[in-house]
Amino acid sequence: KQEVTQIPAALSVPEGENLVLNCSFTDSAIYNLQWFRQDPGKGLTSLLLIQSSQREQTSGRLNASLDKSSGRSTLYIAASQPGDSATYLCAVFYNQGGKLIFGQGTELSVKP
Amino acid sequence: EPEVTQTPSHQVTQMGQEVILRCVPISNHLYFYWYRQILGQKVEFLVSFYNNEISEKSEIFDDQFSVERPDGSNFTLKIRSTKLEDSAMYFCASSEETGRRQPQHFGDGTRLSIL
Repeated sequence: KQEVTQIPAALSVPEGENLVLNCSFTDSAIYNLQWFRQDPGKGLTSLLLIQSSQREQTSGRLNASLDKSSGRSTLYIAASQPGDSATYLCAVFYNQGGKLIFGQGTELSVKP
Repeated sequence: EPEVTQTPSHQVTQMGQEVILRCVPISNHLYFYWYRQILGQKVEFLVSFYNNEISEKSEIFDDQFSVERPDGSNFTLKIRSTKLEDSAMYFCASSEETGRRQPQHFGDGTRLSIL
């Protein structure tokens, strides 16, 4: 079964810390993996897309890595800020099926 | 930056009534999707749509659901006879090419409340 799991479910850090969010998936036959940000009551904002042939993608203070063979991705956030507080979702586009499979998200709180 | 827009932001409907959720995808996008998120649960795929037909649908997308692209800009999700368990946030998404190569961009969602 195609599943995506995110650990931890919630994370609270002081402002300025570097942090890592984890995502694991059960099947290595993927096309790509996408990281999203979701603010309370809002939609999903696409942060980064990593194709299966790539190892990492960077955007500003965000860096996402992909290890397809082990079924893992990480989202690294450098120098966290209170404005980074949100739920971060990982989603996988598997070879089988034309859809994104989502993890349950990590709720991040960055304290001033 | 172009964005996906959804209306209404919140819809309250009596059980058994029909509801139509509307979406305007990004203008040059060709692939369209509906997802839903029941409160406290994962985002779930409902249906994908390309070239005026359904590409794939999930087990959730049964006969009470339908999608349509009535004109060149709108993409709609219709639920014919709503049930209490249809209460959720419904997200529309679009992508320029197949989601295998391009990111899917999501709207802010429609919160559907069935009474």
